[in-house]
Amino acid sequence: DIQMTQSPSSVSASVGDRVTITCRASQGISSWLAWYQQKPGKAPKLLIYAASSLQSGVPSRFSGSGSGTDFTLTISSLQPEDFATYYCQQANSFPRTFGPGTKVDIK
Amino acid sequence: EVQLVQSGAEVKKPGESLKISCKGSGYSFTSYWIGWVRQMPGKGLEWMGIIYPGDSDTRYSPSFQGQVTISADKSISTAYLQWSSLKASDTAMYYCARHFIAVADNFDAFDIWGQGTMVTVSS
Repeated sequence: DIQMTQSPSSVSASVGDRVTITCRASQGISSWLAWYQQKPGKAPKLLIYAASSLQSGVPSRFSGSGSGTDFTLTISSLQPEDFATYYCQQANSFPRTFGPGTKVDIK
Repeated sequence: EVQLVQSGAEVKKPGESLKISCKGSGYSFTSYWIGWVRQMPGKGLEWMGIIYPGDSDTRYSPSFQGQVTISADKSISTAYLQWSSLKASDTAMYYCARHFIAVADNFDAFDIWGQGTMVTVSS
C-alpha cells in the first residue's frame, strides 16, 4: 500500500492568513492526488483533484500543487468557514489511502 | 440533484450481524463506483473498498478484506456494507461516496458523499 503523510498535524491561524499543508506519498503517484475538507460532524467534501484541479464550486482561495511524491494545499486567505480538517488521498493505485489529516484551527 | 442517502444510526452488540445501506439518486447509479470510508471516533478517514454496481466488481483494502462485505443492488440503486459478526472495534462512522473517475482529466476522487451512518457496537 502507498502510505500518505501530512504535515503539520495541526496549525493555528488567523482569518486572512495564508496556510500551506504538505502531503507526501511513500512512492511516486504522478498527479493522482485529491484533497478533502471535513468539518466537525459533517461528511468530507472534495476540494482538489488531479493534485491541482479545483472541484466545481470550490472557492479560488484554495489551490493545490505538486507531483510525484510531494504535494501542497494552500489557502491563500483563510476565511472563518475554512476552519476544518484537511485530508489528502492518493488515487494512483489500490487500495486508495488517505493521509492522517491536518487540523486548521483558530489562533 | 445528485445525492447519496445512507441508512440511520445503529446500536448493536458484539457478535451481531449488520447491513447498512447507501441509496444513490440523480445520476446513473450503475455507471459509477461507490466506495465506503470508515472514521473511528476522533480519528481520520480510512478507505475500505469500492464496488461498481454495473457488474458488482469489488475492490477491498487489505485492512478490511474478510472483515466486511460490500455489495450492491442496481435495481434499487443501493450499495451495502455488511458485517457477519460485529466487534467493539467496528464502532465508527461509515460514509459511502461516489468514486468518480475520468482518466482524460486525471479525475479520480470521491466527489459525492453520503451523510454517514454511525455504528455503535457495545455490550
